[in-house]
Parts: sequence; C-alpha cells; structure tokens
Amino acid sequence: GAVVSQHPSWVICKSGTSVKIECRSLDFQATTMFWYRQFPKQSLMLMATSNEGSKATYEQGVEKDKFLINHASLTLSTLTVTSAHPEDSSFYICSATDHRVYEQYFGPGTRLTVT
Amino acid sequence: GESVGLHLPTLSVQEGDNSIINCAYSNSASDYFIWYKQESGKGPQFIIDIRSNMDKRQGQRVTVLLNKTVKHLSLQIAATQPGDSAVYFCAEYTGNQFYFGTGTSLTVIP
Repeated sequence: GAVVSQHPSWVICKSGTSVKIECRSLDFQATTMFWYRQFPKQSLMLMATSNEGSKATYEQGVEKDKFLINHASLTLSTLTVTSAHPEDSSFYICSATDHRVYEQYFGPGTRLTVT
Repeated sequence: GESVGLHLPTLSVQEGDNSIINCAYSNSASDYFIWYKQESGKGPQFIIDIRSNMDKRQGQRVTVLLNKTVKHLSLQIAATQPGDSAVYFCAEYTGNQFYFGTGTSLTVIP
C-alpha cells in the first residue's frame, strides 16, 4: 500500500513553454502533498505544501506564479512549470501524506529538461 | 537540518563492513526524524525513523542513533551490501514540514 506515482517520469521541453507534472496517491487519500526540487548531487528542497481544496503554501524564494500547484482532489496534485527556462531543469519529486502527517510517501520523481 | 544546497559528501566501504552515516540537524524542537535512501533517478525510500523520546532504534541491518544534546543523528548499516549503494538523507520534522539534510553518497566496493 501507500503508493505514489508521478507522470511523466521524464520530459524535455523548449524554453518558454509550460509543463505539467502530476502526482497521484494510488491507494490512499492524500490530504497533503509536498513538492520538492532536487539538483544533481544535492538534497531535496521543499518548494511548496498543498492541501486538498486550498491554495498551496510556498517556501520562501519559490515563485508561486511560475510553479503553479493545484490539489483538486484527495488523490491528485499537479505542478505546472510555466514559461520554463533552462535553469528550471531539475528533478521534481512529490510526496503525499494522509492524516498521519509523519508518514510521507514519495513518488518516483520527474526529470525535467528545458532546452 | 534544512537543505542548503551543498554537494554531497561521499563514503566508500568494503562489502561486508559496517557503514556509519552521520547527520547534524538544526532545530532542537524537532521531534521526529527519518532516514531515507535514494537510488539514482528515483524518489526517496523510507528506511527507519526515530522519535525524539528515544536515543536508539533498530531495524533489519540498520540502526539509528539520536543524540539530542549535540543534535546529531546517525545511521548504521551492518554488513553493507552492493545494493546499499545510494544516497542517504536524514530528515527532521519541524513545524509540520520535513527538512532534509545534505545527504551522503554511499558506495559499496565489492
């Protein structure tokens, strides 16, 4: 149980276009989802926290107009990178929790490359 | 502690030896800690956790030690195997969020 999926697993897009990444909890209801960004050989950096049905809470320094997060249902959150630039190239990972917030289940990640 | 974007320290061990991976956390109010394993190109996997009211917890081949006095966490892997090669992160739970440490890249030499 407690499986989180992400789609796509990798994506290449041209500079200036937008990309949507989906995060789904497959066998539980995720009241909260987290989005992380990870650069090569670095740690995970929390970008934002999203609760179902409400606006996401962004970490300091993360542009909310550039990284649009929608958590429309208890099993789906999406991250849209708008007007992507090469510096947005990174590994994006989501995680999901149910009401027991200590238990956080991670997705497999999405590798974004902006050319 | 919180990620500061530092490059990963590395640790190399011989297969069969024990590995010790260390982590310093920043917030004395953190009450829950987790060790994660991340293989290349994949998301983190839960290894073991410990609450702040404990100083040691053992799992299968892994032991986590918590020293709250110096805000230090360690992960011990017994009889390290090639499949243990990965990046290991500690995470502390503070203020309804998890903050990840810098991580350590473990390489097991056959």
